[in-house]
Amino acid sequence: AQSVAQPEDQVNVAEGNPLTVKCTYSVSGNPYLFWYVQYPNRGLQFLLKYITGDNLVKGSYGFEAEFNKSQTSFHLKKPSALVSDSALYFCAARGAGSYQLTFGKGTKLSVIP
Amino acid sequence: EAQVTQNPRYLITVTGKKLTVTCSQNMNHEYMSWYRQDPGLGLRQIYYSMNVEVTDKGDVPEGYKVSRKEKRNFPLILESPSPNQTSLYFCASSLVAGPGDEQFFGPGTRLTVL
Repeated sequence: AQSVAQPEDQVNVAEGNPLTVKCTYSVSGNPYLFWYVQYPNRGLQFLLKYITGDNLVKGSYGFEAEFNKSQTSFHLKKPSALVSDSALYFCAARGAGSYQLTFGKGTKLSVIP
Repeated sequence: EAQVTQNPRYLITVTGKKLTVTCSQNMNHEYMSWYRQDPGLGLRQIYYSMNVEVTDKGDVPEGYKVSRKEKRNFPLILESPSPNQTSLYFCASSLVAGPGDEQFFGPGTRLTVL
């Protein structure tokens, strides 16, 4: 069975500081990994994905994520946080032979002015 | 505008009264899916469809039905809703059923079952 863990329910960071939102996964075969963001009263928006290739993936709004196969992790990062980055972030994973996308429980990011 | 639409956006109903939440996409996507979002549980997949007339159960299918008679529509049916189905529901679609395809989400339907 697939699983995704986001160990932090909430992450607080000061505006201008770097941010990291953590994610670990368990899938069969090669992983396909995603980050989505949810703003209040909105649906989920795609941020970035890892399929294959470079371990550092760049996405929308200055976000990037680092894939680490040995640690089965896919942490979301941004060099300098903005107050507008405050939202709920979801990591999701899918195995190569699966039609199902499994989500983590989400991490609430609060960027403090 | 390319989008996934859901109706209604908000619904309050009573136990046992059949309801349907509609989902439609205008992107000619093959893959569609329904999720429910509950606090502390994240998103859990209810059903998905790889193409017309092809559907399969997700992680939490009990109490729900779906159908995919047309490519653009994927309604979610609750034949006898119960209070534990009170939740925020999202429909999503992707171009194909490939594992690397990102999904596009609708705005959500907030359902309350009394």
